[in-house]
Amino acid sequence: DGGITQSPKYLFRKEGQNVTLSCEQNLNHDAMYWYRQDPGQGLRLIYYSQIVNDFQKGDIAEGYSVSREKKESFPLTVTSAQKNPTAFYLCASSTDRDRATYEQYFGPGTRLTVT
Amino acid sequence: RKEVEQDPGPFNVPEGATVAFNCTYSNSASQSFFWYRQDCRKEPKLLMSVYSSGNEDGRFTAQLNRASQYISLLIRDSKLSDSATYLCVVNMPGSARQLTFGSGTQLTVLP
Repeated sequence: DGGITQSPKYLFRKEGQNVTLSCEQNLNHDAMYWYRQDPGQGLRLIYYSQIVNDFQKGDIAEGYSVSREKKESFPLTVTSAQKNPTAFYLCASSTDRDRATYEQYFGPGTRLTVT
Repeated sequence: RKEVEQDPGPFNVPEGATVAFNCTYSNSASQSFFWYRQDCRKEPKLLMSVYSSGNEDGRFTAQLNRASQYISLLIRDSKLSDSATYLCVVNMPGSARQLTFGSGTQLTVLP
């Protein structure tokens, strides 16, 4: 089955620790995205990548880092510099085909709690 | 002004009712529009794309009004399973790939 997987579903960390969230897709999509969602708020873009070995900062990149070494994988590291890391993190991907719209498909998300 | 604005609700409607959500967007250069559905503590899922001519998928109808910069979603004959948060999504001008998400409108369908 094609889709996007994220692991783990729940993650608990102590303040001051870096943590890496996994995102894998087998949809053969070129573009991948990371968002965070806080209660009662919309999704905010952290980082995105349109091709392998290239990525751009989104609206709230401070305190986060990413890599895109393979088309299928786009891990997100939440560093200790992120002031308020507790949130629901969502990974998404979109097709690379030449089309007018680029709807995004989401993984199941990772709930990160930092205490 | 927010880039994408939605009435947060909640909308509480009885089963079988018709309910409509509106969404306004700020940038007239936006070209792609979507409605996503998000269940509690789950990921958003694409409900439907919104085309200039309007489109219908079963009980769901989406419309776009470019002149007034708003998008609507109409749900007819509401089911209990329609209870969710509905997200209005618009592409960022100059980037077909980047999307801006509204905060969502919460719908509860009551028995």
